[in-house]
Amino acid sequence: AQTVTQSQPEMSVQEAETVTLSCTYDTSESDYYLFWYKQPPSRQMILVIRQEAYKQQNATENRFSVNFQKAAKSFSLKISDSQLGDAAMYFCAYRTGNQFYFGTGTSLTVIP
Amino acid sequence: DAMVIQNPRYQVTQFGKPVTLSCSQTLNHNVMYWYQQKSSQAPKLLFHYYDKDFNNEADTPDNFQSRRPNTSFCFLDIRSPGLGDAAMYLCATSRGSGGAFFGQGTRLTVV
Repeated sequence: AQTVTQSQPEMSVQEAETVTLSCTYDTSESDYYLFWYKQPPSRQMILVIRQEAYKQQNATENRFSVNFQKAAKSFSLKISDSQLGDAAMYFCAYRTGNQFYFGTGTSLTVIP
Repeated sequence: DAMVIQNPRYQVTQFGKPVTLSCSQTLNHNVMYWYQQKSSQAPKLLFHYYDKDFNNEADTPDNFQSRRPNTSFCFLDIRSPGLGDAAMYLCATSRGSGGAFFGQGTRLTVV
């Protein structure tokens, strides 16, 4: 069974600083995809970034980047120049076939 | 704008009274999902459709059923809601190897 673990239930960061959210996963598959989703309070889940497992290069989307360590089964999200609007619950997700599995989330607070 | 729309946003139902949640999409995605999300927990996959093929998760209770009459619509039926079924229900879609696109969710309260 695939499992996704986010060991940081809560994180905080000062505005304009950098924060890294951790995620590890367990799988025996070789072909899969990894995602980070953002869920602001009472709002819908939004895709932040996507990584294909067969690509060694880390994905980047503006201020968001990942550190993908396939051998270690680690997939962390780095948010640079944090903004107040980044405050949300962040979920790491693993996709195999058509099924997505989610971690328990990290609640990020941005301190002005 | 292409999107995933869930109706209603908030649903209150009585214990044991059947309730249906709906989801529509304009993305023309071939896969549609239903997730249950309880407070401070990960979204839990209930089932998904790949085109018309229904895929049930092994631990999804029989109390939960789904229908997908066409590409655009998918329904979640809860036959006899219990207090433990109170949660946010998320509909999502995907196509190919991309990410899932989510609706805003329906918050179900059971009284």
